[in-house]
This record gives sequence, C-alpha cells and structure tokens, in this order.
Amino acid sequence: EAEVAQSPRYKITEKSQAVAFWCDPISGHATLYWYRQILGQGPELLVQFQDESVVDDSQLPKDRFSAERLKGVDSTLKIQPAELGDSAMYLCASSWSDNSGNTIYFGEGSWLTVV
Amino acid sequence: KQEVTQIPAALSVPEGENLVLNCSFTDSAIYNLQWFRQDPGKGLTSLLLIQSSQREQTSGRLNASLDKSSGRSTLYIAASQPGDSATYLCAVRRSNNDMRFGAGTRLTVKP
Repeated sequence: EAEVAQSPRYKITEKSQAVAFWCDPISGHATLYWYRQILGQGPELLVQFQDESVVDDSQLPKDRFSAERLKGVDSTLKIQPAELGDSAMYLCASSWSDNSGNTIYFGEGSWLTVV
Repeated sequence: KQEVTQIPAALSVPEGENLVLNCSFTDSAIYNLQWFRQDPGKGLTSLLLIQSSQREQTSGRLNASLDKSSGRSTLYIAASQPGDSATYLCAVRRSNNDMRFGAGTRLTVKP
C-alpha cells in the first residue's frame, strides 16, 4: 500500500540551530500539506501546496519557517533558528487533489525536540 | 472561526463494549467530516469520510454519523477490542484549504 514517507522520524536539536524535514507524498498526489501537532492537541495546518505552488501558508511563521516543493513532488520544511516552542510532531499529508472530497493520507510524522 | 470539540477527552472501557465518541463543530457550512485514528507517536490513519450531503458512513465495526444542522458527528465502535486503543480525531473541512481538527478522544479498551 502506498504511503507518505517522512524523515527523520526523530530529531533533537539545540535552540537556535537549523533543522529540516523531508516528505515524499503518495505518487500522483498533487496536494501536499505540512501540519504541526503539539502533544495533546489536534494537528494545525502550516502550509499547503498544489503541485509546486503554495496555496495557503497563512499559519506558517515565516520569520523562521520555510517550505518548498520545487518539482511538485517531494517537499522540505525548514526551521531556522529553532526555538523551544517548536518542539512538536511535524506531519506531512497528501491527497489526490485539493478537491474537498478527497481523503487525506498522513505520514508517520517527524518528532522534533528543541533543547 | 470554526471550532471543533471532542468529548470526552479520554475514555476507558472493558473489551466487548459498544461505545460512542462525539465531535461537535460551530460552523455548519462544511464540505465534509473525517474521522482519524492515531496510535501513540504515529501519524493519522483515515477511518471514515462523510460528505456534507451524507448522513453516515460504515466500515466494519465503525459507523460515523453526521448532523450538520446541529453541528455534531458521532463515531460508533461496536464490540470494542484492545487493538482499538488509540486516539480518535475528527476533522471538519470548510473549503479546499481549511481543515480543522479536534484535540481527540484517547480510548483505552481493557482486556
């Protein structure tokens, strides 16, 4: 069964350092999402791509976060500099298109701990 | 702004019991509602997707209902098993790029 691949699964970084997460969506999925999930809460959308274009990044803290999907396939989410409050799980998800009727499939997530 | 609430936050039941998880949302203008399962430290697995025009969806021992007018959805799990232990999240979609999640209900099924 096709899956959304994410790496690394776990990352510990020091405050003020840079960190990057990678996501490879299910083949053929045009829409890609990055979510952040704080322990005990539901995921919150950081950025949504349709192919290589950003559809929504209104909740992305752009002073320190950046995301790209250069060829419309895999994507990278970067944080620089990392802050203690960034400790969370970063989830990547994809769907066939941005049509609201499509099911969204999530990866296993990348756990970030900032010390 | 769409708010999604899940009650209870945690639930513990003995194996074999039928149970209901609740999800409520404040804005009834939705496209669909999706239920997910999340195991500890893992990603989300889609369980059921209910379009706004539908009233319910079923998959195996799971049945989800949707009442848009009252802003409620329920997830019914029949004959619960220890393997059902997980956190269950509902997510409401208002548009192509607006999907709001509840905080989840943490379910424990005791053998």
